[in-house]
Amino acid sequence: SQQGEEDPQALSIQEGENATMNCSYKTSINNLQWYRQNSGRGLVHLILIRSNEREKHSGRLRVTLDTSKKSSSLLITASRAADTASYFCAAGFQGAQKLVFGQGTRLTINP
Amino acid sequence: GAVVSQHPSWVICKSGTSVKIECRSLDFQATTMFWYRQFPKQSLMLMATSNEGSKATYEQGVEKDKFLINHASLTLSTLTVTSAHPEDSSFYICSAPRGSGYTDTQYFGPGTRLTVL
Repeated sequence: SQQGEEDPQALSIQEGENATMNCSYKTSINNLQWYRQNSGRGLVHLILIRSNEREKHSGRLRVTLDTSKKSSSLLITASRAADTASYFCAAGFQGAQKLVFGQGTRLTINP
Repeated sequence: GAVVSQHPSWVICKSGTSVKIECRSLDFQATTMFWYRQFPKQSLMLMATSNEGSKATYEQGVEKDKFLINHASLTLSTLTVTSAHPEDSSFYICSAPRGSGYTDTQYFGPGTRLTVL
């Protein structure tokens, strides 16, 4: 399966702390995307990093990409209770628009 | 912003019946749409790529006769689960990229929860 792996599977931290989630994939990619899913809802696109980029920021989000290790990380700084959700990485490939999702990390921010 | 809708948001049906799920792009045209299935506490698994005006492309292991996909217009794709059984109970999500580029943002529908009794 092309599906990527994420760790940790679940993460519980206190509000205000930083949360880091990691994603690994198996084949060469065109881009790596991160999505958030609140329970029972659709996905919200957070950030996209291209294969020729190493780091990208968006507000409290920081994404890194290491193509040599086939891995990416998502850092959420100064976490808030509203950040509680599942986070998925998704790999995009050259020649196709389809995405292959990682297994996801369930993040719980405790007030 | 771009919005993708799905209908219905939830459906309960008896085993053996067929269920149709609609996915619409509301303010943009989508020549391609994607259908995913998500079991509880699991990730999204791509089922098929819906192509406007041509046959859908199914992922390995997905039965095309079981999951019928029709992309009849540039804003609508439908997924029909035929002869549904309890194991087909799942959360079905569609997505549509706005544009044809590999890095175009994909917009996801809110999902349809199917329960087969």
